[in-house]
Amino acid sequence: QQQVKQSPQSLIVQKGGISIINCAYENTAFDYFPWYQQFPGKGPALLIAIRPDVSEKKEGRFTISFNKSAKQFSLHIMDSQPGDSATYFCAASRAGTASKLTFGTGTRLQVTL
Amino acid sequence: NAGVMQNPRHLVRRRGQEARLRCSPMKGHSHVYWYRQLPEEGLKFMVYLQKENIIDESGMPKERFSAEFPKEGPSILRIQQVVRGDSAAYFCASSPPRTGSRSGNTIYFGEGSWLTVV
Repeated sequence: QQQVKQSPQSLIVQKGGISIINCAYENTAFDYFPWYQQFPGKGPALLIAIRPDVSEKKEGRFTISFNKSAKQFSLHIMDSQPGDSATYFCAASRAGTASKLTFGTGTRLQVTL
Repeated sequence: NAGVMQNPRHLVRRRGQEARLRCSPMKGHSHVYWYRQLPEEGLKFMVYLQKENIIDESGMPKERFSAEFPKEGPSILRIQQVVRGDSAAYFCASSPPRTGSRSGNTIYFGEGSWLTVV
């Protein structure tokens, strides 16, 4: 049972454009929603995270939008750059389970010149 | 401040052999997690350990897989009698002791150990 659904599977965006990746979850007990960035041959690195008590969080060019009623959250990358080309994973964890994360299946982002 | 250290980075084993993957958490971190990433898939939780204790092994296959985090030394993920389906990237992550009841301490991933079974 996949508890976090991520889309699209792949995404091509022109330099300077906005990249948008969406995730939906099923388990209402989830209370922590991080996004990870992974380059080929490397481990995932935390990009930005949000808790359901806020609807948006922004850090630099990266913004998470969170819709608790719809059980959806998304990552927006403004002014996308070629260096942003990587695979992005959303994840979720629930209270009482420390940092046991349930990951989405990933979105491969390519930013073209 | 060294990050999460995993070794070996790449490991090739023949079917039926044993694979041992090691993980040293970040300094000051007492929680270790192992995740598996199959080709073109997301990461799947395997096990969560603290020193000398397995806290949650709900993601571990029932057979051939085991994990430990001894009082001294790195955490070890052991796969006995490997099969081709075990070929994957195995990521270790660590986090500091959790404070409070909320989840979501930031966990930091190592660079992974890529296991290839031939």
